[in-house]
Amino acid sequence: RKEVEQDPGPFNVPEGATVAFNCTYSNSASQSFFWYRQDCRKEPKLLMSVYSSGNEDGRFTAQLNRASQYISLLIRDSKLSDSATYLCVVTSSETTDSWGKLQFGAGTQVVVTP
Amino acid sequence: GAVVSQHPSRVICKSGTSVKIECRSLDFQATTMFWYRQFPKQSLMLMATSNEGSKATYEQGVEKDKFLINHASLTLSTLTVTSAHPEDSSFYICSARDIRVQETQYFGPGTRLLVL
Repeated sequence: RKEVEQDPGPFNVPEGATVAFNCTYSNSASQSFFWYRQDCRKEPKLLMSVYSSGNEDGRFTAQLNRASQYISLLIRDSKLSDSATYLCVVTSSETTDSWGKLQFGAGTQVVVTP
Repeated sequence: GAVVSQHPSRVICKSGTSVKIECRSLDFQATTMFWYRQFPKQSLMLMATSNEGSKATYEQGVEKDKFLINHASLTLSTLTVTSAHPEDSSFYICSARDIRVQETQYFGPGTRLLVL
């Protein structure tokens, strides 16, 4: 079983609509959670960290559910520029060896259409 | 934000040659850098953790003699793919952890390697 799993999509979203998707993680000792955005043939870029109480950054809202071991990302009022692959990233501080290591999901593709 | 550069951005080489990729943190010091590989439509896979002044730590299944890592200074780590073969063709990305903000990693723009 993969450590971080995501629905690959694509999620086809009309401009202005809302889209939401989840990511599940298998390691209950996971400490930190992030959403990264990756454009085609580019490096990942940090979109936002995910905090236990949930957090919002403009049109983006992230939630963490530790009991069910998933995080979610919701994008409101989608823009054409939101088209990208969204990577769920989890870190573990369980051991010294694993500290700071990022575990990436394979990504969820979002395509915003005019 | 912090900037990490990689060089070269893309390289095409013949099978059997060695390729060196540089990763530099431009405006911060990084005691730790990470090397990832990403195949098409797959997730980034951590290959190794590079620590300044010490040996790199390789992930299971990654051959340390094939992927040589040198982290000689707080701003530079290099990955050398020795005797590259077509199956090594991939997108190689480094990231650097700011010594002052340990949780944050900054990614380089990646190096696209094509081995013919």
